[in-house]
Amino acid sequence: DAGVIQSPRHEVTEMGQEVTLRCKPISGHDYLFWYRQTMMRGLELLIYFNNNVPIDDSGMPEDRFSAKMPNASFSTLKIQPSEPRDSAVYFCASRGDTKGSYEQYFGPGTRLTVT
Amino acid sequence: SQQGEEDPQALSIQEGENATMNCSYKTSINNLQWYRQNSGRGLVHLILIRSNEREKHSGRLRVTLDTSKKSSSLLITASRAADTASYFCAVTQGGSEKLVFGKGTKLTVNP
Repeated sequence: DAGVIQSPRHEVTEMGQEVTLRCKPISGHDYLFWYRQTMMRGLELLIYFNNNVPIDDSGMPEDRFSAKMPNASFSTLKIQPSEPRDSAVYFCASRGDTKGSYEQYFGPGTRLTVT
Repeated sequence: SQQGEEDPQALSIQEGENATMNCSYKTSINNLQWYRQNSGRGLVHLILIRSNEREKHSGRLRVTLDTSKKSSSLLITASRAADTASYFCAVTQGGSEKLVFGKGTKLTVNP
């Protein structure tokens, strides 16, 4: 398996622009997680899905952030409009639903810079 | 809010030495996991210990869990330069799948 795939790997955009980050989870995994990592706040969970349904979005910072999972093999995280404080590395992770299997598999991340 | 808090924040050792990192958390947990992150990469799962377990081994890794003290430790024996990375603990609580991460320990193993 190719693992969790994220695109783009790097994104530089200007304040006010819309940004869309993409994620393809590992085939057969039922859970998908979006995280944000910064030096100041560490690694924070933004939202997670189970079987394409959003379960917990309490970590989404504000209405400028939205996430979708239209099918089992694709998810997007959108920021509109973007702000400099959104600059961070965004990770997508997935995991299976096998009983006792809790480890999450992370993608390589998208480094977002908003100028 | 952060649950897992790692200690120390940074650790520098010589190759062949053992490295010990600690993690403390605030509320009862279902399980505790340790992850490694190499610079500029995603996190990689190392080991999971359940709340009813006290110790677990995997290769050169040894994890302990003390639920009375709400703490865990990760021991890497006979360290190698390739072990240089940041190490994070993460916990799940209640019925949630949410993983709450600490801020990590940055380990440097000098050749």
